[in-house]
Amino acid sequence: GEDVEQSLFLSVREGDSSVINCTYTDSSSTYLYWYKQEPGAGLQLLTYIFSNMDMKQDQRLTVLLNKKDKHLSLRIADTQTGDSAIYFCAESIDTGGFKTIFGAGTRLFVKA
Amino acid sequence: DAGVIQSPRHEVTEMGQEVTLRCKPISGHNSLFWYRQTMMRGLELLIYFNNNVPIDDSGMPEDRFSAKMPNASFSTLKIQPSEPRDSAVYFCASSLKQGGQPQHFGDGTRLSIL
Repeated sequence: GEDVEQSLFLSVREGDSSVINCTYTDSSSTYLYWYKQEPGAGLQLLTYIFSNMDMKQDQRLTVLLNKKDKHLSLRIADTQTGDSAIYFCAESIDTGGFKTIFGAGTRLFVKA
Repeated sequence: DAGVIQSPRHEVTEMGQEVTLRCKPISGHNSLFWYRQTMMRGLELLIYFNNNVPIDDSGMPEDRFSAKMPNASFSTLKIQPSEPRDSAVYFCASSLKQGGQPQHFGDGTRLSIL
């Protein structure tokens, strides 16, 4: 079946690194995404990785993909209080058309 | 560039009333999605369109919910009659259809049914 799982909460201290993990079940994933949702706003695309890549780095963000274990992670270096938000993992799967499956979101708390 | 535009941002109405939510996708995007977000159920896909045609409406909770996309730049989600359990934030998103392109979300409509 199609499922994306994430832990619900993560708490880190300002300046530390945050690592948000995600597992997915469908091996036909083409793209995997990380979205950020701040209070009162929609989901904002942070970064995405194509399924034939292992890693993608974008400034403070590092995405690691282990396709064998169907595991995706997002590392935020030097976490700031402004990074406090809900982070959603999502996968795009080819079902004839393309369907995006979202996880339940990980709420990141950053303590000053 | 303008993103996905939703209106209204907030809606408060009494149960039994008809509610219409509106969405303008990003120009050039040919897929449009309606989601509902609640604390209890998270983010749920209600329906999506490709090239203005509804493809999958299996997430629409009941016959009280209906969605239309009369043209490439406009879609509506209607609830009639509304009930308190419909209270949620409703998001519209759009994307290019091909190749698993990422979805771009509007800021949502916060709906409260009293």
